[in-house]
Amino acid sequence: NAGVTQTPKFQVLKTGQSMTLQCAQDMNHNSMYWYRQDPGMGLRLIYYSASEGTTDKGEVPNGYNVSRLNKREFSLRLESAAPSQTSVYFCASRDWRGTSNTDTQYFGPGTRLTVL
Amino acid sequence: AQSVTQPDIHITVSEGASLELRCNYSYGATPYLFWYVQSPGQGLQLLLKYFSGDTLVQGIKGFEAEFKRSQSSFNLRKPSVHWSDAAEYFCAVGAPPHQAGTALIFGKGTTLSVSS
Repeated sequence: NAGVTQTPKFQVLKTGQSMTLQCAQDMNHNSMYWYRQDPGMGLRLIYYSASEGTTDKGEVPNGYNVSRLNKREFSLRLESAAPSQTSVYFCASRDWRGTSNTDTQYFGPGTRLTVL
Repeated sequence: AQSVTQPDIHITVSEGASLELRCNYSYGATPYLFWYVQSPGQGLQLLLKYFSGDTLVQGIKGFEAEFKRSQSSFNLRKPSVHWSDAAEYFCAVGAPPHQAGTALIFGKGTTLSVSS
């Protein structure tokens, strides 16, 4: 049971390049999330997927797109990277089975992205 | 608007001393509250969570937190800090579990340093 995995762990891009961050979970969770973490800003939600086949914008969606490929995988794409997208990106999945005791978000190890 | 405030950006505590990290929230409904810890270069690990019931909740690593509705607070405490507790701590508020897709709203974090 690997939990939430993310690839790559590190990436350096030039302005204008594109890339896709991959996220997978093996816990059979319905909901998945992408956050970005910037110094002094905490974590901010980019996009989320409440269930397979649905995606919704979060607080800071501009410049990003997502795909919920199947129940396990939720990818984040930067079509034309900008220096402002330099950040640490975290994927999370949510264990929600209709009862409060089980409601927990599990986080991946993160992807450190630098855009030059 | 929903928000989480962690008033202390950085705290230094002597090893063996007690610790209290503050968290205040603004949320229109019954809050579901979480504390996460992030060690350098790592993802986020759940310390504890509060949904209902006893307002004093116990977590992992000897941490506890107390929910005070009248003060809109959910402060994290530990009676005796260990050097390994040095990390960044995030308070978060979430929607009730039946809102399956809703993400967490995070505070900006408090960095804990432990001195010997």
